[in-house]
Amino acid sequence: AQSVTQLDSHVSVSEGTPVLLRCNYSSSYSPSLFWYVQHPNKGLQLLLKYTSAATLVKGINGFEAEFKKSETSFHLTKPSAHMSDAAEYFCVVSDNYSSASKIIFGSGTRLSIRP
Amino acid sequence: GAGVSQTPSNKVTEKGKYVELRCDPISGHTALYWYRQSLGQGPEFLIYFQGTGAADDSGLPNDRFFAVRPEGSVSTLKIQRTERGDSAVYLCASSPNAGGRDTQYFGPGTRLTVL
Repeated sequence: AQSVTQLDSHVSVSEGTPVLLRCNYSSSYSPSLFWYVQHPNKGLQLLLKYTSAATLVKGINGFEAEFKKSETSFHLTKPSAHMSDAAEYFCVVSDNYSSASKIIFGSGTRLSIRP
Repeated sequence: GAGVSQTPSNKVTEKGKYVELRCDPISGHTALYWYRQSLGQGPEFLIYFQGTGAADDSGLPNDRFFAVRPEGSVSTLKIQRTERGDSAVYLCASSPNAGGRDTQYFGPGTRLTVL
């Protein structure tokens, strides 16, 4: 069975400081992992994904995430937050060889940026 | 190019009424997914299509919910005898193929309010 846990429902950082959004997963098989971002009144947009290639994945807008199998984690980071990063972020897990019904979204982390 | 579009963007209806929500996927994408997102939660899988057929409808909550994709492109999610608990944002996504590794491209959603 698969599951994904986003450890913080809300994270607040100052502009220009690092961002860390935490995600832990559980998967019986080889997982694919994704981070999506949702801005208010906008559709979900893919930030980055891991599908069993390089464990450090770089995405759009300066975000990156590292797949750590030993820790079952896929935390999202960015060195310097920008006001435009304020949004809801979702960690997603799926099995590489399964159907769509096995795609599981986390409950989301709301990122706020202080001026 | 054009992304996934959903109409209407907002729908207000009365308890017991019938509603239809439409999704236009990205041209050429064979897989189409419907999700439901309640306030403060991540998207929850409802159903997905591979071409014209519903490959997995295990997420539909009950038989009041039904979806079609007759020509393998546009899809309609139909809800009969709506209940207040059906109020949520309904998201549609498409991908070139179905599978755990594939990126899904999301529409902006339809916000359904049942009074």
